[in-house]
Amino acid sequence: NAGVTQTPKFRVLKTGQSMTLLCAQDMNHEYMYWYRQDPGMGLRLIHYSVGEGTTAKGEVPDGYNVSRLKKQNFLLGLESAAPSQTSVYFCASSSSLGEQYFGPGTRLTVT
Amino acid sequence: GQNIDQPTEMTATEGAIVQINCTYQTSGFNGLFWYQQHAGEAPTFLSYNVLDGLEEKGRFSSFLSRSKGYSYLLLKELQMKDSASYLCAVILTGGGNKLTFGTGTQLKVEL
Repeated sequence: NAGVTQTPKFRVLKTGQSMTLLCAQDMNHEYMYWYRQDPGMGLRLIHYSVGEGTTAKGEVPDGYNVSRLKKQNFLLGLESAAPSQTSVYFCASSSSLGEQYFGPGTRLTVT
Repeated sequence: GQNIDQPTEMTATEGAIVQINCTYQTSGFNGLFWYQQHAGEAPTFLSYNVLDGLEEKGRFSSFLSRSKGYSYLLLKELQMKDSASYLCAVILTGGGNKLTFGTGTQLKVEL
């Protein structure tokens, strides 16, 4: 039982490049989330999903897209990376009423 | 808008008791979580309050007053390993089990 896993753990991109972050959970949770964490800003919600095939915008969705084709996976895409997207990205999952379980994070640097 | 306030930093002595406060003003409220986050790691669940009062869990307790928009996390018998950031998060109404996080309180435990 791995919980929530994220790949990759680290990535360096040049401005304008694209990439996809993968989140997987094995707890059969309906809800999944993508956050970014920046110094002094706390965790901010980018996008979330309440079930397979659904997605919704969070607090800071601009510049990101997501997909939830399978219940256990939630993908976060950056189509054209910008230095402002340098951050630590966390994925989380939860049941409808429970606490959120977080993955180990992805450290992304955009130069 | 959503506003969650926590002190930025606190310092305490090993073996002592420390109280970390959190005040919130949000457009909806379905409960409050406390998470612990060690440097470079993912947040991990500590406690959940939905009703007014005190929830005790070993060395950790959390209190909620919904009428005052106030919560605190109480850590007893402090250990060096308790040095971490403590995150207060409010579950918003509107579905999706969405969390809004405070910026976190960095606790340093000294000998």
